[in-house]
Amino acid sequence: GAVVSQHPSWVICKSGTSVKIECRSLDFQATTMFWYRQFPKQSLMLMATSNEGSKATYEQGVEKDKFLINHASLTLSTLTVTSAHPEDSSFYICSASPLAGGYNEQFFGPGTRLTVL
Amino acid sequence: RKEVEQDPGPFNVPEGATVAFNCTYSNSASQSFFWYRQDCRKEPKLLMSVYSSGNEDGRFTAQLNRASQYISLLIRDSKLSDSATYLCVVVNSGTYKYIFGTGTRLKVLA
Repeated sequence: GAVVSQHPSWVICKSGTSVKIECRSLDFQATTMFWYRQFPKQSLMLMATSNEGSKATYEQGVEKDKFLINHASLTLSTLTVTSAHPEDSSFYICSASPLAGGYNEQFFGPGTRLTVL
Repeated sequence: RKEVEQDPGPFNVPEGATVAFNCTYSNSASQSFFWYRQDCRKEPKLLMSVYSSGNEDGRFTAQLNRASQYISLLIRDSKLSDSATYLCVVVNSGTYKYIFGTGTRLKVLA
């Protein structure tokens, strides 16, 4: 149980285009989803937390207008990187948690590798 | 100072060796601790939780020292398949966010 999928697993795009990444919880309802970014040889950095039906909470330094997050259902959250640039190239990983509030285990998706040319 | 710190390594050890990693954290209010394993270009996978009393899972032993604010991971009888990056995760009370360390890279050599 507790499977999280991401699509696509990798994407290559031209600078200036927008890229949408989907995160789905396959066998549970994810009230809360998290989006992380990992640059080479660095750790996972939390970008934002989203709760189903409400606006995402972004971490300091993460531009909410550039990284659009939509958590419209209990099994799907999307991250759209708008007007992507080469510095946005990274490994984007989502995680999902079955409950909101308090501590709950996070289940990680397999990640999406974005390369912006 | 980073909130969670790890020695990046790499730790190169022969098969069968015992190796230990430490991870220090700065927030004394941290409430939960984990070790994750991450293979190259893959997502992190939960290896084990870390409990105050220490816990063991096969060849892996995790310990928590709240007074000194560090957690440790001991791997006995290292296998080639243990080669990976080991990430320390600390969960802060209040925010419940996962704070990842930068990871310690382990290479087990034949």
